[in-house]
Amino acid sequence: EAGVTQFPSHSVIEKGQTVTLRCDPISGHDNLYWYRRVMGKEIKFLLHFVKESKQDESGMPNNRFLAERTGGTYSTLKVQPAELEDSGVYFCASSPTNKGRDEKLFFGSGTQLSVL
Amino acid sequence: AQSVTQPDIHITVSEGASLELRCNYSYGATPYLFWYVQSPGQGLQLLLKYFSGDTLVQGIKGFEAEFKRSQSSFNLRKPSVHWSDAAEYFCAVVLLGSGNTGKLIFGQGTTLQVKP
Repeated sequence: EAGVTQFPSHSVIEKGQTVTLRCDPISGHDNLYWYRRVMGKEIKFLLHFVKESKQDESGMPNNRFLAERTGGTYSTLKVQPAELEDSGVYFCASSPTNKGRDEKLFFGSGTQLSVL
Repeated sequence: AQSVTQPDIHITVSEGASLELRCNYSYGATPYLFWYVQSPGQGLQLLLKYFSGDTLVQGIKGFEAEFKRSQSSFNLRKPSVHWSDAAEYFCAVVLLGSGNTGKLIFGQGTTLQVKP
């Protein structure tokens, strides 16, 4: 079974450009999460999808970030326009259920984003 | 606000030596607690978790962790470290009040280096 896959693994862009990150969750997982780790700090929650619906987007830093999950399968996270402080590693995770203690997150290996 | 502290940013141990990674949390009630590991180029992998019951939790790869309510700690231990344990380790809690058990709060991570 394939794990959570993220594309690209690395992205280097200039300030002001647009970047789109993609996450393919494990097939059948309704829950999809985006997390971000900036500058070696702690990993922080960005948002949570249940199927195609945004369940919780309280961690999204500002309106330059747009996440979508059309059809409830893969998800994209677009940053437009990118700023220097957006540099970091963006992780995606999925889970088949969010039933409390039964929930288990499966993480992708992340996208390293560098904004120059 | 809830928080997780990993006091040690970097730890170096000799292969075969014992290991203890510290984790303290700030939370109003007993949280759900986790330890994750990230090896280079890999996604975060769950080592173990604590929800309730026995405060000594066994995980994968020979790791264990002990929940100590009086100290608000959840330290990770391993009696004998292997070179393959070199990785970054993250302690995390679930923000129970949000009703979202996939919304983790992470510590800053501890990088483990293993000397031959």
